[in-house]
Amino acid sequence: NAGVTQTPKFQVLKTGQSMTLQCAQDMNHNSMYWYRQDPGMGLRLIYYSASEGTTDKGEVPNGYNVSRLNKREFSLRLESAAPSQTSVYFCASSEARWNLAGELFFGEGSRLTVL
Amino acid sequence: AQSVTQLGSHVSVSEGALVLLRCNYSSSVPPYLFWYVQYPNQGLQLLLKYTSAATLVKGINGFEAEFKKSETSFHLTKPSAHMSDAAEYFCAVIQNNAGNMLTFGGGTRLMVKP
Repeated sequence: NAGVTQTPKFQVLKTGQSMTLQCAQDMNHNSMYWYRQDPGMGLRLIYYSASEGTTDKGEVPNGYNVSRLNKREFSLRLESAAPSQTSVYFCASSEARWNLAGELFFGEGSRLTVL
Repeated sequence: AQSVTQLGSHVSVSEGALVLLRCNYSSSVPPYLFWYVQYPNQGLQLLLKYTSAATLVKGINGFEAEFKKSETSFHLTKPSAHMSDAAEYFCAVIQNNAGNMLTFGGGTRLMVKP
């Protein structure tokens, strides 16, 4: 049981380049999330998808776009990468929106460096 | 609005010593509170959660946390640290309102000395 799988695990971009981070979960969860992790700032929500067909902005959505391709997959796109987007990106899923009585399941992260 | 503050970005303890990681929250309504742990090069995993049942919550690996409403705190403790506890720990809060987002603290890196 793979859980939440993210690709790629590492990526180096030049300023202005674009890329897409892929995320897939095999737990039949309804909700999926993209977070970024920066030292001392914890995890900050970029976008989330409460259910298939819906997406909403989180705390730091500028410079990103998302697509909920189907129930399993939720991708994050950087259209024109900037050095400020250097970070570790985590995809997560939960059975229901925020799953108040449960938990979020996280992928292993994607480390992105923008030069 | 809600927020969570973790006091101390780095905590160092000796193996066998008490572990105390501090978390304070601000919330206008009763919150749900969580502790997540992140081992090196891995994603976060749930350690324990408070959802308005018992105020003392027991989690995995011998950790526990106590919800204290009067102090707006949810500190994480473990009586005796093991080397394998070295990791980063995140406190998170969400108001029991579907319109709010899960908010994470800045994290505390726990180091365990032999």
